[in-house]
Amino acid sequence: NAGVMQNPRHLVRRRGQEARLRCSPMKGHSHVYWYRQLPEEGLKFMVYLQKENIIDESGMPKERFSAEFPKEGPSILRIQQVVRGDSAAYFCASSKLAVGLDEQFFGPGTRLTVL
Amino acid sequence: DQQVKQNSPSLSVQEGRISILNCDYTNSMFDYFLWYKKYPAEGPTFLISISSIKDKNEDGRFTVFLNKSAKHLSLHIVPSQPGDSAVYFCAAADSWGKLQFGAGTQVVVTP
Repeated sequence: NAGVMQNPRHLVRRRGQEARLRCSPMKGHSHVYWYRQLPEEGLKFMVYLQKENIIDESGMPKERFSAEFPKEGPSILRIQQVVRGDSAAYFCASSKLAVGLDEQFFGPGTRLTVL
Repeated sequence: DQQVKQNSPSLSVQEGRISILNCDYTNSMFDYFLWYKKYPAEGPTFLISISSIKDKNEDGRFTVFLNKSAKHLSLHIVPSQPGDSAVYFCAAADSWGKLQFGAGTQVVVTP
C-alpha cells in the first residue's frame, strides 16, 4: 500500500508564473489536508478537502491560492502569479477518517522555490 | 495567533537518557493531540497520539502525557537513541481534523 505521494518534489517558478502541486492520498483515504511550512517555522494548515468538497479553507490566502480534490485523480493545490513569499515546503496529508479517529499520514512534500 | 507552542527550539540529550519534549496549547476545544517526527527533506511521520479523555498513552519507547487543566502535553522518549535525532512537532486537532502545529523542537542525541 503506497503512502501519500506528492509531485513534483521540487518546483522552481519565476515570479508571476503558476504553480501546480499534486497529492495522491493513500488508497482508501478520502480526507486530504494541505499544509505549508515556511523556513524556520512549523507547519501551517491551509485547507481540508474531501472528495469534490472543500470542508475548511480557513488557512488559505484569500487570493491566488485554490485547491481541489476531484472525484477522480489527485488533489491539486494551485498557486497563481507566484511571489517570492510563496517559497516554502507544501505538505499534503491524508486520512481514512477525520483526525480524532485516525491519524494523518504525510507525503514527502513539494519544495517550491520562486525566483 | 499561535495556538500550539513548543517553547524549546532545541534539545540535546545523551544516548540512553530520557528526552522530554514539551508543548502548550491555548484552545480548550482541541480534543486530540499528536506528535510527529520529521527528518530533513521528508514529510512528518506520525509517532503517537492521545485523546483528551486520557492523560497518558504509551507506545514502546514513546509516552505522551496530557494535562488538560494546564493545557500542556509532553512526549517522553526513553531510552533515547541516535536515530531519534530529528525535529519533533506537537499538533492539536479540532473537531474537523484540522491540525495546528507547534514550531517544532530539534532533538540531538549524542553518543
